[in-house]
Amino acid sequence: GNSVTQMEGPVTLSEEAFLTINCTYTATGYPSLFWYVQYPGEGLQLLLKATKADDKGSNKGFEATYRKETTSFHLEKGSVQVSDSAVYFCALLQGGSEKLVFGKGTKLTVNP
Amino acid sequence: DAGVTQSPTHLIKTRGQQVTLRCSPISGHKSVSWYQQVLGQGPQFIFQYYEKEERGRGNFPDRFSARQFPNYSSELNVNALLLGDSALYLCASSLRGSNQPQHFGDGTRLSIL
Repeated sequence: GNSVTQMEGPVTLSEEAFLTINCTYTATGYPSLFWYVQYPGEGLQLLLKATKADDKGSNKGFEATYRKETTSFHLEKGSVQVSDSAVYFCALLQGGSEKLVFGKGTKLTVNP
Repeated sequence: DAGVTQSPTHLIKTRGQQVTLRCSPISGHKSVSWYQQVLGQGPQFIFQYYEKEERGRGNFPDRFSARQFPNYSSELNVNALLLGDSALYLCASSLRGSNQPQHFGDGTRLSIL
């Protein structure tokens, strides 16, 4: 079946450091890929998406590129801020389905 | 425009009781999905409804049921509550169609004593 594997957290960085959160997936066909962010006490917010191979999703300084050859969708940001502290979830949506499959989440803490 | 709204925000129940959670989708969204998020885990798909019909079901027991109303709002019902049902229940809405992103509410925190 479809699955998403994220790097284990927690991740702790200093402000302005470079961020990478690894995400790989297993799926048949060509799923759409998403990153969601969850701030404490809140629901999930869509951060970015990519719907086909080599697409790059970007938002608020975050980027992720859909790599079909490595079945990956790693999240990156060049300079993190304290306000980026949250839990980040990688997810896939199989074509023709509306069932999102999530990874376990990676907690990011950014210190001033 | 208002986002996805869920009620109540918090709920405390005891084992064996029944609970109903409510969700109003974003205006214009006709598809509603429910997810269960246990502490420290990613959300798990429970149901998806479109045009009042169930279109998808996750690996959850029959104690879980849902429905969608003509105004596209939805209810999730859980019977015979177990301690393991303690979780954040998230509702998401989307435009119908493949690859459409789902937009989530803030969830209902259900605690079972």
